Parts: sequence; structure tokens; C-alpha cells
Amino acid sequence: KAGVTQTPRYLIKTRGQQVTLSCSPISGHRSVSWYQQTPGQGLQFLFEYFSETQRNKGNFPGRFSGRQFSNSRSEMNVSTLELGDSALYLCASSLEAGGFSYNSPLHFGNGTRLTVT
Amino acid sequence: SQQGEEDPQALSIQEGENATMNCSYKTSINNLQWYRQNSGRGLVHLILIRSNEREKHSGRLRVTLDTSKKSSSLLITASRAADTASYFCAPEGAQKLVFGQGTRLTINP
Repeated sequence: KAGVTQTPRYLIKTRGQQVTLSCSPISGHRSVSWYQQTPGQGLQFLFEYFSETQRNKGNFPGRFSGRQFSNSRSEMNVSTLELGDSALYLCASSLEAGGFSYNSPLHFGNGTRLTVT
Repeated sequence: SQQGEEDPQALSIQEGENATMNCSYKTSINNLQWYRQNSGRGLVHLILIRSNEREKHSGRLRVTLDTSKKSSSLLITASRAADTASYFCAPEGAQKLVFGQGTRLTINP
């Protein structure tokens, strides 16, 4: 099976712009979670989608949003970019919501490195 | 909070030595997972230990879980240069996994 695919791999944007990141989960996985990773804050949970519904949301401003399509692919959008949004954005998929399964933990993509200038 | 806290934050050892990392958490869990992250890459699942298990092995990895102390440890035996990475524990509670800051492990040749 193909792994979790995130596109693009690298992205450079300017403050005030918006950006959309894409994630294709492992075939058959219905849950997609998004994380932001920065050196200072570590790995922070953004949100999780399961069968097109947002199941959990982290403590991020409304500028961060996401959605999941019927084929389980997911996108996250960040509007009005700020310098502090520079980070590695990781997507992870699992069979069950929140990686809550003895048989299916989270499978991560290699992330999208976003730089905001 | 369900977040795990890894200790130490950084660990540097010689190749061939054993590496031990610890994880503490605050609430009841169903199971606990360990992940590895190589620089600039995504996390890779290493091992899952259930709340009713005390020890689990996978190759050179040994994980213990003490639910009474709300702690877990990850032991990597006979370390190799390729083990250089960050290691995260993730206690599995209600609905989502929350990761700590991780332990940065460096294996010196």
C-alpha cells in the first residue's frame, strides 16, 4: 500500500497570503489528523476528520481550517498567514478516529514545510 | 491533559550502547504508543502497549508500562547510528493522540 502523501513538500508564502495543503491517506483509512510542528512548541494537534466530519479540534485560531472529502483525502487551509505559522505540517491517517485502535495507529506523511516571509 | 512527557529531552550515547527513554502521563489511558521521527520527516509508529500489558518487545525495542505510576519506558538495545532520531510517546486517551516534546537521541560512532 502507498503511504500517506502530502503535497507540496515545500512552500514559501508571504505574510497575509493564504495556503492550502493536501493530504492523501493510506487507502482504506477514514481518519485524517493534522499536526503543526515547530522547534519551540513541538508537535501540536490541529484537527481530525473522520468520514468527512471534524471529530476533534486543537487550540488554534479560526485562520486554520480543514476539510475531508468523500474519498478521505483532506486539505487544510491557513488564511492571513503570519510569520509564526512557519512550521512543518504533518498529516496522519488511521483506520479509526484518533488512532484509537489496537490494530491501526497513526501513519504519518513526510509533511509540508511552510515558510512564511 | 493526555499529553505524554518524555525524559530526558536529549540523550547522546556511543554506538552499541543501550538507550533508555521515559514517558510520564497524567490521566488513565487505554494504551500508549511510541513513535520515532527522523529529522525533517514524519513520525513512524514503533510499538503500542496496551494498558493491561506490562512489557512488550519488538526487535531491539523493549517497552514497559506501569499504569500505577503512569509511566512508560522505551529501551533500545545495541544502538546503531540509524537510531539517531527523536522519540515520542503518545498516551492514547479519549479520541486523539497528544504528543510530547520528544527525546532527541544521538548515537555517536
